[in-house]
Amino acid sequence: EAGVTQSPTHLIKTRGQQATLRCSPISGHTSVYWYQQALGLGLQFLLWYDEGEERNRGNFPPRFSGRQFPNYSSELNVNALELEDSALYLCASSPDAGVQETQYFGPGTRLLVL
Amino acid sequence: EDKVVQSPLSLVVHEGDTVTLNCSYEVTNFRSLLWYKQEKKAPTFLFMLTSSGIEKKSGRLSSILDKKELSSILNITATQTGDSAIYLCAANNFNKFYFGSGTKLNVKP
Repeated sequence: EAGVTQSPTHLIKTRGQQATLRCSPISGHTSVYWYQQALGLGLQFLLWYDEGEERNRGNFPPRFSGRQFPNYSSELNVNALELEDSALYLCASSPDAGVQETQYFGPGTRLLVL
Repeated sequence: EDKVVQSPLSLVVHEGDTVTLNCSYEVTNFRSLLWYKQEKKAPTFLFMLTSSGIEKKSGRLSSILDKKELSSILNITATQTGDSAIYLCAANNFNKFYFGSGTKLNVKP
């Protein structure tokens, strides 16, 4: 069974640009979560999507947004990039919103903002 | 404010030592506590705990939840260099997962 996949693995942008990160959940999983892990910090919850809808978001500004597609894959968009957005962005999936027992993580996208 | 706190932040031990990692949580409508191991990028799932006092074991790793104390411990016996990683714990409620900042374990030969 294929795991959670993310693309690209690395992304380099400059301040003010926009970044788009992609995630494909495990087959059959409908919930997708996005996390930011800045250097030396723990995972900060960004967004949770389930069945195409945003279910919850963390304490991040509106320039962090995303969506979930009918096939349950998801995109994270970061607009007006700032230097402090440099981090590892992890996506995780779980079977469905009612069974939030475990999350399975993808390998992450490392975003560097210059 | 819901939060998860892990201690220690980092730990250096020698192969063969036993380590205990701590996780405390304050999460409204708590459902479960999870432990992950993060070596390079993706955290990998270790344990999920929902009931107090029931130990979960996997090889040299074990974990237990204490709902009265709002805490959990992760034990690793006979540590090996391959155990070197960041260990994350997360508390889950109906809305989201709250992660601690992790314990960085370094096992020296």
